[in-house]
Amino acid sequence: DTAVSQTPKYLVTQMGNDKSIKCEQNLGHDTMYWYKQDSKKFLKIMFSYNNKELIINETVPNRFSPKSPDKAHLNLHINSLELGDSAVYFCASSRFRAREQETQYFGPGTRLLVL
Amino acid sequence: LAKTTQPISMDSYEGQEVNITCSHNNIATNDYITWYQQFPSQGPRFIIQGYKTKVTNEVASLFIPADRKSSTLSLPRVSLSDTAVYYCLVARVNTDKLIFGTGTRLQVFP
Repeated sequence: DTAVSQTPKYLVTQMGNDKSIKCEQNLGHDTMYWYKQDSKKFLKIMFSYNNKELIINETVPNRFSPKSPDKAHLNLHINSLELGDSAVYFCASSRFRAREQETQYFGPGTRLLVL
Repeated sequence: LAKTTQPISMDSYEGQEVNITCSHNNIATNDYITWYQQFPSQGPRFIIQGYKTKVTNEVASLFIPADRKSSTLSLPRVSLSDTAVYYCLVARVNTDKLIFGTGTRLQVFP
C-alpha cells in the first residue's frame, strides 16, 4: 500500500523525444509537487498543485508541462528532451499547501537518463 | 526566500551525537524550518520541524537560535542506518514559497 507512487521508476530515452512521468498518492492529500534532483543532489521545486489548481510554477522550461486530472494524480510531460533534463524527478504530496506548515511525503523517484 | 546552505558532507562513528547545521541568513519572520532524510534510491522523508528555540521528537532535536539565521539538526547516538543525505527546508507561512538546502551527506562508520 505505497503512499506515493511514481511510474516509471527508470526512463532512458533519446534527445528530442517526448516522455511522461506519472504520480499517484493514496493519502487523501490535497496538494502534490514535482521536484527535480540533479547529479549534485540539489532538490528543486518545479510545480505544485492544490486540488487540481496550479499554485507553484517555478522557472522551468516550458517544455515541462504538469497536469493534474484529479487531486490524487499529478503527471509531468516533457517535450523535446535535452541532455540536461537527466535527473531524478520526485513527486510528493501533503495534506494541505506548504503555506500551512505541512509535511511532505515523497515518492521513490523516477530516474530519467537522456542520451 | 532565504538561500539555504549546508556542509557538503560529515563523517561520524556509531554511538556519537551528530549536529548538522543549515545556514539561512535571510530568513523571514514567517518562515519555518523542516528537516528531511534521504536514503539512496529513495525519496526524502520528514524528520522534524520547528520555528524557533528547540524541538525534540523520538529521532532528533532541532535547535534554532534567537536570530533564526541558522538551524541545527541533532541526531543522538547515530548508527550505521543513519547514513543518508540530510536536507533542511525553509518554507514561508501564508505563501507557497519553499526552498531546500544544499544537502549534507552523513557517513556513519562502525
